[in-house]
Amino acid sequence: QKEVEQDPGPLSVPEGAIVSLNCTYSNSAFQYFMWYRQYSRKGPELLMYTYSSGNKEDGRFTAQVDKSSKYISLFIRDSQPSDSATYLCAMSAPGTNAGKSTFGDGTTLTVKP
Amino acid sequence: GAVVSQHPSWVICKSGTSVKIECRSLDFQATTMFWYRQFPKQSLMLMATSNEGSKATYEQGVEKDKFLINHASLTLSTLTVTSAHPEDSSFYICSATRDSATNEKLFFGSGTQLSVL
Repeated sequence: QKEVEQDPGPLSVPEGAIVSLNCTYSNSAFQYFMWYRQYSRKGPELLMYTYSSGNKEDGRFTAQVDKSSKYISLFIRDSQPSDSATYLCAMSAPGTNAGKSTFGDGTTLTVKP
Repeated sequence: GAVVSQHPSWVICKSGTSVKIECRSLDFQATTMFWYRQFPKQSLMLMATSNEGSKATYEQGVEKDKFLINHASLTLSTLTVTSAHPEDSSFYICSATRDSATNEKLFFGSGTQLSVL
């Protein structure tokens, strides 16, 4: 069983929809949780970076971490066609360089105009 | 945010030749950089950790003689795929953090698509 499981998708939504992307994990040592957006044939771009439990909001994006359930989510409000990409969750334990994060396999999102 | 530049963005080569990929941190010094491989519809697979001024640390199963890593300066790491074969065709990505010791934010290069004929 993988340490990080990500809803595989693909996900297709109409423009303006609320999108929910999710990951579960098994390693209780994880304290840092990241979401990356990756456009086709490009490197990942950091979207959200959170520590421990709770919510973090940045514009149309909200990251939620529920450590008791070992479950993290990324919500995208008012989704736009430009949000069409693959979203990767990642997590790491304290003292671990982020380059050695454990990544999910990604969820591909398509937002249709 | 920090910028990591990767070059080339794509390369096609003949089987048996070697290919060099460069990864540069443009606005910060990176003592540690990372190299990944990514297959279609799959996640990032860490290949090695590149350490400035010392040997790279390779992940289990990655051939160090096949994937040569050089980190000669605080802003440049290179990955050379030696004697490339079609099975080496993949998307290669580098990344770096400003601080190698803590859970700093990670910045990725734009990736290199390697196709070996």
